[in-house]
Parts: sequence; C-alpha cells; structure tokens
Amino acid sequence: RKEVEQDPGPFNVPEGATVAFNCTYSNSASQSFFWYRQDCRKEPKLLMSVYSSGNEDGRFTAQLNRASQYISLLIRDSKLSDSATYLCVVKKNYGQNFVFGPGTRLSVLP
Amino acid sequence: DVKVTQSSRYLVKRTGEKVFLECVQDMDHENMFWYRQDPGLGLRLIYFSYDVKMKEKGDIPEGYSVSREKKERFSLILESASTNQTSMYLCASSFSYGYTFGSGTRLTVV
Repeated sequence: RKEVEQDPGPFNVPEGATVAFNCTYSNSASQSFFWYRQDCRKEPKLLMSVYSSGNEDGRFTAQLNRASQYISLLIRDSKLSDSATYLCVVKKNYGQNFVFGPGTRLSVLP
Repeated sequence: DVKVTQSSRYLVKRTGEKVFLECVQDMDHENMFWYRQDPGLGLRLIYFSYDVKMKEKGDIPEGYSVSREKKERFSLILESASTNQTSMYLCASSFSYGYTFGSGTRLTVV
C-alpha cells in the first residue's frame, strides 16, 4: 500500500462549483500535513498546512481526521485559475522527510 | 522569500555521460532534497541532506549520487546517464512547515 493515497481524478467541474479532494495516509505516527498545488510544468507550491482543528483560507478549507488517517481539501466557488494538480503531503514524525501523494488533477471549466 | 535556484531548466545528455544538476538556496536552510517526478508516479525522493557533507538515501537512489560541500548548494550527480533517467528533477529546501522547490530541470537522456 502506498504511504499517501489520493483520489485519482481528474476532476472536471464548472466554474462556481464546490469540489472536495480526499487523501489517506498509512503511517499513524505522521505529524504534519499539507496541501501543495502544482501548475502544469511548474514546481509544487505550498497551498496550506492542515491542522487538527481544521483550517480555512478564503475559499479553501482543509480538514484532518487522525483517527481515520484522512485529510481533505474543499474548494468553494471554483475559479478557472484553480485548475492545477493538488498534492497531499505528509511529514513523518522524525527527520524532515515529506511524503507526497500522487496528486489529483482539477480542471475548472468555463 | 526563500529562493531555490536550479542551474538548468532543460538539459539533453547522451547515454553514458556524467551529469551534474546544481541547486542553490539562499535562506541558510539545513535540509535539502532531490526528487524526480514522472507521470503516474508522482514525486519520488532520490537523496536528501541534513547538513553539510551529510547525505541520506531516499526511495530511489540507484544510479545517483549527491554532494553537499557548502550549506547552500546541493548537487545531484548521474554517474552514467541512462534513458530511464529521463525525467523532471526537482530540488527543494525545507523549513519547519513545508518545502520550497526550485523550478525544476527537465532532463532528457538520448
């Protein structure tokens, strides 16, 4: 089983839609969680950290469920510029090594 | 803003050549990483380094080596390039809450 798994996608949604991505991780000792965004032919960039209490940044909401080892990202009122691949990232409790999920591709259509 | 600079954006090399990929970061980070990214396989860790002259193997170190003589510079070396090393190579520097990536080097081995 892969250490970090994500919905395969692609997700094709109309502008204004709400879309949710899921991610599961296998190492229960994982400590830190993130969502990264990667545009086509560009490097990944940090979108937001994920906290146990859940956190929101504008149209983006991230949730963590440690008991189920599950992370989610919700995007409300999708914009064309949200089209990208979204990577779920988990940091182990030792060292600085981050494990990346395979990513979920989102296309927001006009 | 942290800047991570990779020396080449695109590179074409011949099979058997020794290839050097250079990465420099400007924020005095101790941790640096080399990943490769391939369609369907996501980001895979090749090597990482916690400090000068220290290196650790990642998930796919075979065919690669690294050098970290100065804190700001982390080099990836392909000892004898092969066609299966054609890929996007991403360098990253880390702080506590995530990575900053360079813009990547797309290497083609012919």
